[in-house]
Amino acid sequence: DTAVSQTPKYLVTQMGNDKSIKCEQNLGHDTMYWYKQDSKKFLKIMFSYNNKELIINETVPNRFSPKSPDKAHLNLHINSLELGDSAVYFCASSPSGGLNEQYFGPGTRLTVT
Amino acid sequence: QKEVEQNSGPLSVPEGAIASLNCTYSDRVSQSFFWYRQYSGKSPELIMSIYSNGDKEDGRFTAQLNKASQYVSLLIRDSQPSDSATYLCAVARYGQNFVFGPGTRLSVLP
Repeated sequence: DTAVSQTPKYLVTQMGNDKSIKCEQNLGHDTMYWYKQDSKKFLKIMFSYNNKELIINETVPNRFSPKSPDKAHLNLHINSLELGDSAVYFCASSPSGGLNEQYFGPGTRLTVT
Repeated sequence: QKEVEQNSGPLSVPEGAIASLNCTYSDRVSQSFFWYRQYSGKSPELIMSIYSNGDKEDGRFTAQLNKASQYVSLLIRDSQPSDSATYLCAVARYGQNFVFGPGTRLSVLP
């Protein structure tokens, strides 16, 4: 029943490690996103994919690499994790077009020690 | 000037009162406006979307948009303690992604 799901919910890892977060949506939406919400709760777009193609890549370190195997899935791989990467990462999806409402997944809390 | 601004709060209202949340934006050609509610430790949940000037009502919630003043608001009537959360305003224009405001923390006191 879950519309947008993410795994894992919590991720604790050490600096320098590589980790991935997975996202799946069953809403039939064409566009998926990754957001980062930092400790001050500010929600900032990282990536946007439309039908498996990257359409927005905000200023994000290239240690972050999104991968979309199909339009229902958008994964986020992070290399060489740093302390500053600690945050909550949300996946979201929307019908095609940037003007439509977005629906968020439950989030992945990443803690880098 | 920040793109989307909101009072950070906390905004405290007594139970049963009207809570008024405000949002201003800087991009004059913005076309879509959204209010999200985020409980602590949870993900943002869409409450309302509004695309044209005027009021839009959904249950206890009313969104108001004034494009000339670059202002969008959310009114919550008969506020309940369960409405206590952070409310995020988001603004979008064609070809660009959502820009979220910093959020307003609302506390409804029993």
